[in-house]
Amino acid sequence: GENVEQHPSTLSVQEGDSAVIKCTYSDSASNYFPWYKQELGKGPQLIIDIRSNVGEKKDQRIAVTLNKTAKHFSLHITETQPEDSAVYFCAANQAAGNKLTFGGGTRVLVKP
Amino acid sequence: GAVVSQHPSRVICKSGTSVKIECRSLDFQATTMFWYRQFPKQSLMLMATSNEGSKATYEQGVEKDKFLINHASLTLSTLTVTSAHPEDSSFYICSASDFYGYTFGSGTRLTVV
Repeated sequence: GENVEQHPSTLSVQEGDSAVIKCTYSDSASNYFPWYKQELGKGPQLIIDIRSNVGEKKDQRIAVTLNKTAKHFSLHITETQPEDSAVYFCAANQAAGNKLTFGGGTRVLVKP
Repeated sequence: GAVVSQHPSRVICKSGTSVKIECRSLDFQATTMFWYRQFPKQSLMLMATSNEGSKATYEQGVEKDKFLINHASLTLSTLTVTSAHPEDSSFYICSASDFYGYTFGSGTRLTVV
């Protein structure tokens, strides 16, 4: 089955700086890679996703890059703000079973 | 965008009783629904996958007789925790998928006392 590794597990940045979270996956058949933001006591919220036919996608301060050859994808948040503080999860789909496999999560703290 | 409604958000029950959690896709028909469990400061752990009108597929180590899943329609799935014990206390999250992706509910904090 799919295995997704996520690094770092915690990330502290100064407000205005950039934050980068990296994930690797094992199943070469995976073709959908979403990123979720989870605030305390709430469900995960999709912030951006990318499909395997695209190498990069951007939405305002958030961007995701995908390297299918190396089987890794990254989340980039620019001009971080205190409200960006949360836990972020990457995920990859399994071609068989339509399931998502999640990374271990990254706790991001943006210091004012 | 797609919205998934999950209820209740919090529930406290006595040990030995059963609790039902509902998950509804409000503005789309979900081909598949998923149930996850999340322990504090950990990632989401998939418990089971369900398709409308068929039996759920449980992940290894998840007791199907304890965690009953019913998926009666393309917009509703329920998870019933039967004979709950304190170790079942956790954050349960549902997800619904369609062609466009996966949408998550807001989660249910279950506390068994």
